Amino acid sequence: AQKITQTQPGMFVQEKEAVTLDCTYDTSDQSYGLFWYKQPSSGEMIFLIYQGSYDEQNATEGRYSLNFQKARKSANLVISASQLGDSAMYFCAMREASRNTGNQFYFGTGTSLTVIP
Amino acid sequence: DTGVSQNPRHKITKRGQNVTFRCDPISEHNRLYWYRQTLGQGPEFLTYFQNEAQLEKSRLLSDRFSAERPKGSFSTLEIQRTEQGDSAMYLCASSLYEARFFGPGTRLTVL
Repeated sequence: AQKITQTQPGMFVQEKEAVTLDCTYDTSDQSYGLFWYKQPSSGEMIFLIYQGSYDEQNATEGRYSLNFQKARKSANLVISASQLGDSAMYFCAMREASRNTGNQFYFGTGTSLTVIP
Repeated sequence: DTGVSQNPRHKITKRGQNVTFRCDPISEHNRLYWYRQTLGQGPEFLTYFQNEAQLEKSRLLSDRFSAERPKGSFSTLEIQRTEQGDSAMYLCASSLYEARFFGPGTRLTVL
């Protein structure tokens, strides 16, 4: 089974609108971390936001927020007030760290976001 | 610039040649990771160092691949006898706590 599933290969959003990028994960660990990265066409992976499995509040970083629904095993990224510079690939990732899994870090296949002026 | 740096940014080589990439992590980060990314895919884990110790290696890391991190600072990734299937972006990341910060990558093309 895929550890991280991103079901939206491509998304379009109007400039200044909000957009939600979906991510579901699969783990039996109690302690894990969830991450979102942005990869523009230049290729660099830019860390956006982190949510720990024990964090009760949803993580927020500026215009980025992570909608963490533990029971549904989802960790959607919400980008508010989209800007043209937000056009990029977005990857959801999960870190497992347990005796069973070791220090494993998994990426999804990514969602390509295009912001339309 | 205090981010992760990688050199070279691009490398074109002929099949069968050896190549070596370098990664300089963020200075206080004790953990260093190598990933490989092919077009349309997310990064795939290759190997992980904590300080100078190589703690994990993916099954993707065949015996043609070797990584080192002498003195727990910069790291090198060497690919011997390159094959066309090795063509990819090689990403290095470092971390101190949870978040992994990536470098700009080295794009390898094997002709």
